[in-house]
Amino acid sequence: LAKTTQPISMDSYEGQEVNITCSHNNIATNDYITWYQQFPSQGPRFIIQGYKTKVTNEVASLFIPADRKSSTLSLPRVSLSDTAVYYCLVGPYSSNTGKLIFGQGTTLQVKP
Amino acid sequence: NAGVMQNPRHLVRRRGQEARLRCSPVKGHSHVYWYRQLPEEGLKFMVYLQKENIIDESGMPKERFSAEFPKEGPSILRIQQVVRGDSAAYFCASSDSQGNTEAFFGQGTRLTVV
Repeated sequence: LAKTTQPISMDSYEGQEVNITCSHNNIATNDYITWYQQFPSQGPRFIIQGYKTKVTNEVASLFIPADRKSSTLSLPRVSLSDTAVYYCLVGPYSSNTGKLIFGQGTTLQVKP
Repeated sequence: NAGVMQNPRHLVRRRGQEARLRCSPVKGHSHVYWYRQLPEEGLKFMVYLQKENIIDESGMPKERFSAEFPKEGPSILRIQQVVRGDSAAYFCASSDSQGNTEAFFGQGTRLTVV
């Protein structure tokens, strides 16, 4: 499974857009990019997944350049409740969808 | 968290005792995964089970730890003769067998060994 690198922490203010970039230079052809969010004392929660270009859902957008060696999670107009740890994961997805390799994640602190 | 239930939420054990952590997956899910999270660290995969079978236990410590997912009932992660280093949050996740690419996590069990 490809190794990922992301910033340890980020600070933002309410109402701002937050972009968290993840590097995955060794991504394989059949790998997908998935982001999870974890609040304190909670289990991780799936946010978004993509393979290439751009994916958008009601929570976030995921931008993946053509070479797929990095990806950017974009959170529009963050609020205090978006304070959490965000994990970038890369791996193939088949029936074995729950064996995930988590890094240290990015701790996002949203300030008022 | 889409129905993955873990209990207890908090568990305190003295050194040398046994800890049993339970996980009921989302209804209809037949794949269960256990993870351990030490303070200030990311989650580490421990074991992957399907009903009555251990599929991948590459992340399980070789001694004192075992897991099962019986035909009936919840999945159990068992830690024998606990030591202080076992203190962590243990998370269970489940997924279905239809190629769904999302795993659902429970809220975890926080084990404290005193």
